[in-house]
Amino acid sequence: GQNIDQPTEMTATEGAIVQINCTYQTSGFNGLFWYQQHAGEAPTFLSYNVLDGLEEKGRFSSFLSRSKGYSYLLLKELQMKDSASYLCAVWGNYGQNFVFGPGTRLSVLP
Amino acid sequence: DAGVTQSPTHLIKTRGQQVTLRCSPISGHKSVSWYQQVLGQGPQFIFQYYEKEERGRGNFPDRFSARQFPNYSSELNVNALLLGDSALYLCASSSRQGDSTPEAFFGQGTRLTVV
Repeated sequence: GQNIDQPTEMTATEGAIVQINCTYQTSGFNGLFWYQQHAGEAPTFLSYNVLDGLEEKGRFSSFLSRSKGYSYLLLKELQMKDSASYLCAVWGNYGQNFVFGPGTRLSVLP
Repeated sequence: DAGVTQSPTHLIKTRGQQVTLRCSPISGHKSVSWYQQVLGQGPQFIFQYYEKEERGRGNFPDRFSARQFPNYSSELNVNALLLGDSALYLCASSSRQGDSTPEAFFGQGTRLTVV
């Protein structure tokens, strides 16, 4: 079976740091992706991890531990425009497709 | 350079009707995938096509079908629409198929409402 879990909702303050966790159990693994999705819009690519460790891209960082089936997305210096849903997705070698988590709705408050 | 384009952007249909959604991938991309995203949930995989052949199918009923054309554009068809088919339908294109790491780009989606 394939299962991806992440918190449904999170709230943080402008300028703060927030960590969104993702745990996964999938039949295959060829990478873990994070996408940002604003309401009513398409998901946009944020980051990708295939090896264990931390990948940093500006204000966004993503971490992966394959042995633990665990990833997190770290957002620094939060801005109001970061209010969105954040989707954790595993690219497996079964069916050649993404398996998405339910998404975490992040609200950034002033 | 145009991104992934989908049409129409919004659609309202009645239960029992049929609908066709269209997707044009990024130029040079040969792989197109379709996802259904119900409000408040993550996208669910429906189909993947590569070089005009179906390469993957998710857990959806036979009312859902798709095809890919020689220019790599794709259509998703849904027959005998149910209220539960109301969702955002996303198309994603990527350049490669197989176990190599994909970089998928999503279109804006088609918002389908079944009444």
